[in-house]
Amino acid sequence: QVQLVQSGAEVKKPGASVKVSCKASGYTFLKFGVGWVRQAPGQGLEWIGWSNTNNGNRNYGQNVQGRLTMTTDASTNTAYMELRSLRSDDTAVYYCARTKVGATDFDYWGQGTLVTVSS
Amino acid sequence: DIQMTQSPSSLSASVGDRVTITCRASQGISNSLAWFQQKPGKAPKSLIYGASNLQSGVPSKFSGSGSGTDFTLTISSLQPEDFATYYCQQYNSFPLTFGGGTKVEIK
Repeated sequence: QVQLVQSGAEVKKPGASVKVSCKASGYTFLKFGVGWVRQAPGQGLEWIGWSNTNNGNRNYGQNVQGRLTMTTDASTNTAYMELRSLRSDDTAVYYCARTKVGATDFDYWGQGTLVTVSS
Repeated sequence: DIQMTQSPSSLSASVGDRVTITCRASQGISNSLAWFQQKPGKAPKSLIYGASNLQSGVPSKFSGSGSGTDFTLTISSLQPEDFATYYCQQYNSFPLTFGGGTKVEIK
């Protein structure tokens, strides 16, 4: 069965960086894209990025443009997101989610990773 | 950017009720509309894609309709496990955008 398993919770200071992993299983990794969505405490869902694992194309949300890098490692079926220059308003649960290549609708989601930014 | 507006933001309903949630896009998105269900402390669950297609394993009490700018999610007979927050999302163009959510509570 399709599974996306994310790395554990992180606590970071303002200005630091965080890297979250998303390990995929149960499907052919390079046939599907990976998106990232975050949810601040008590708030709604915010899309922050999407990566076409097949050709490397990437799109970033405006709120993280220039600070977010998405990468993939096909040898381990793992996607990564690294967010730099962290601010307090980056505190959120970060989710990875699978999309079909050529489309950007999410079908399977990871369990989420809480990133807390606090001095 | 395409703005997605959901209504209502919350509703109270009883078990067995028929519930309809509306999502409006600020410009036409064809049928590039998805719906998600989220329970407290859990990841979102994908319900519908292409405005009206059920994801695998989603029960048929959920249905979606609409095209262009106006969309609806209907739950035909609300059950205890359906009390949750529901989000719509457009994927017609980047940036992908979500509606603000509709919280369905027990009356």
